[in-house]
Amino acid sequence: GAGVSQSPSNKVTEKGKDVELRCDPISGHTALYWYRQSLGQGLEFLIYFQGNSAPDKSGLPSDRFSAERTGGSVSTLTIQRTQQEDSAVYLCASSPLSQGWNPPLHFGNGTRLTVT
Amino acid sequence: SQQGEEDPQALSIQEGENATMNCSYKTSINNLQWYRQNSGRGLVHLILIRSNEREKHSGRLRVTLDTSKKSSSLLITASRAADTASYFCATLYNNNDMRFGAGTRLTVKP
Repeated sequence: GAGVSQSPSNKVTEKGKDVELRCDPISGHTALYWYRQSLGQGLEFLIYFQGNSAPDKSGLPSDRFSAERTGGSVSTLTIQRTQQEDSAVYLCASSPLSQGWNPPLHFGNGTRLTVT
Repeated sequence: SQQGEEDPQALSIQEGENATMNCSYKTSINNLQWYRQNSGRGLVHLILIRSNEREKHSGRLRVTLDTSKKSSSLLITASRAADTASYFCATLYNNNDMRFGAGTRLTVKP
């Protein structure tokens, strides 16, 4: 595809339900990032993948959050037992990262998650 | 944790005026990047300045970098209403991942 694609674009779920957010990065991009953005706020780093491995999981807010990436491509962010404070926009970005150099990130338009 | 901090948090100017936003960061860097975010959209990369550069221009954008002070500034000249957006700086954290500041919300009034 031409850019980073995220689905769904909007998700409304009831408190306590599990949700799965999907990110399709630009083909060939080895680095993939997940960020969370609350209304009017900055970007909170969640997790970063280099290929299929995640060197840094320190940003995941709790053990209810998990992420995986398969085949060095698609990534899913799963939130179990959602809480109202999980409501935010979840942004995915990818880049052709090479070690020791950080090229610009390409962002998707995000998934707006609302937990009722 | 956030790597950078932008100031001001919000800036409101008239069309035609210049807008200056600042960013401070904490660790050593190989480059610093500025991004723009329109409401309800993802971020778009604007400009990258390398650690050995002091100033860089791209159209109406001018970026400066002072590594001794760990700070950068983004200047938008002759602003337009369409420049209304949030602007973020970003740097590499722990040689692994990109971290962003809290952003500056710029409003350009027609």
